Amino acid sequence: DSGVTQTPKHLITATGQRVTLRCSPRSGDLSVYWYQQSLDQGLQFLIQYYNGEERAKGNILERFSAQQFPDLHSELNLSSLELGDSALYFCASSVVGGAGAEAFFGQGTRLTVV
Amino acid sequence: GDSVTQMEGPVTLSEEAFLTINCTYTATGYPSLFWYVQYPGEGLQLLLKATKADDKGSNKGFEATYRKETTSFHLEKGSVQVSDSAVYFCALESGGYNKLIFGAGTRLAVHP
Repeated sequence: DSGVTQTPKHLITATGQRVTLRCSPRSGDLSVYWYQQSLDQGLQFLIQYYNGEERAKGNILERFSAQQFPDLHSELNLSSLELGDSALYFCASSVVGGAGAEAFFGQGTRLTVV
Repeated sequence: GDSVTQMEGPVTLSEEAFLTINCTYTATGYPSLFWYVQYPGEGLQLLLKATKADDKGSNKGFEATYRKETTSFHLEKGSVQVSDSAVYFCALESGGYNKLIFGAGTRLAVHP
């Protein structure tokens, strides 16, 4: 158990809909990262938050947004869903600071868009 | 931009065989390098890491050495077990704040 909790584990929704994925980081970790894992794109970094503020942005679509709340949990919002958004979405957390800090990954949310 | 290239799988080995999974990277400066492992149905777990040139990371019999001359971080294990069957990802830390760039992953299947 990595200490990172993601809910829900599975989500099936229709095209055009909006979903929210939730992540609770490890106790004490201020930084949260979201990654998308798909068969064609592999593991892609989406976005990072540190103590409530956005720190880095990757290949995140405009239809996607995220935020980190004062209690440090994070939510990834995906809207106007398309079939191609079907993927495994991972959240990770770490103690930022110093090279080589380990990122701890949750078990992921598998999103299926039908 | 920064990128990681690792050998395509699947890699199929018999138990006790020697394993090498190649990983090369392109990056500005000298980023920290990682190997993560993903077992079926699970998230990624850190296997080992190296933070500077010539560092050797090791864990559970796996090793990798940070080679800046060849921009490589190849994963090796002298004798694989069935329980090592998983997908292995090479990654580098990019742009500060511990953001990771991953390779495509290499699936390893070990047979008894």
